[in-house]
Amino acid sequence: NAGVTQTPKFRVLKTGQSMTLLCAQDMNHEYMYWYRQDPGMGLRLIHYSVGEGTTAKGEVPDGYNVSRLKKQNFLLGLESAAPSQTSVYFCASSYFGGNYGYTFGSGTRLTVV
Amino acid sequence: GEDVEQSLFLSVREGDSSVINCTYTDSSSTYLYWYKQEPGAGLQLLTYIFSNMDMKQDQRLTVLLNKKDKHLSLRIADTQTGDSAIYFCAEIFASGGSYIPTFGRGTSLIVHP
Repeated sequence: NAGVTQTPKFRVLKTGQSMTLLCAQDMNHEYMYWYRQDPGMGLRLIHYSVGEGTTAKGEVPDGYNVSRLKKQNFLLGLESAAPSQTSVYFCASSYFGGNYGYTFGSGTRLTVV
Repeated sequence: GEDVEQSLFLSVREGDSSVINCTYTDSSSTYLYWYKQEPGAGLQLLTYIFSNMDMKQDQRLTVLLNKKDKHLSLRIADTQTGDSAIYFCAEIFASGGSYIPTFGRGTSLIVHP
């Protein structure tokens, strides 16, 4: 009963480097989401997916790309990291529309120097 | 997306009741949630309420919903130091046929002896 697993948990990047954050869920959830959490800003939606092979932009999508090739995985990519992307990233998943709530991963703390 | 507003801080004495307030804007919201985030961890679902309910009680937690004023509150009875955390209010809004959660900025609850 792993729930939502995020890897890595911590990462330090240099400006301009690229990386991929992986989110995996084992609950057969249709919807998956990527959020970033910054002090005083709460959670802001980056991208989301309503099913395998689909993705959509959230509130703050610039500088990020996502892919959902398999239902259980949702990848978040940073092509050219910037210091403004220093944040804690959370992945979440839910059944259709989240009627029964959302399950969150434990987060990835990313620092871009 | 829609806006969900919360006050940022609340300080209470151990044993007192805590009341965390939230206002939302989407009158079509069907579910409203309260999540708890402990330091260094992801968000955990505390409780949720359907929009056709006025109140929901779950042990020390009481959720009150005023649909007319679009106001949601979470009352924690007999607050303990272990309740110190950030509490997020969230609603679902419909976007292009999908249902997307919007979170408030979170209320930091500080419980002191």
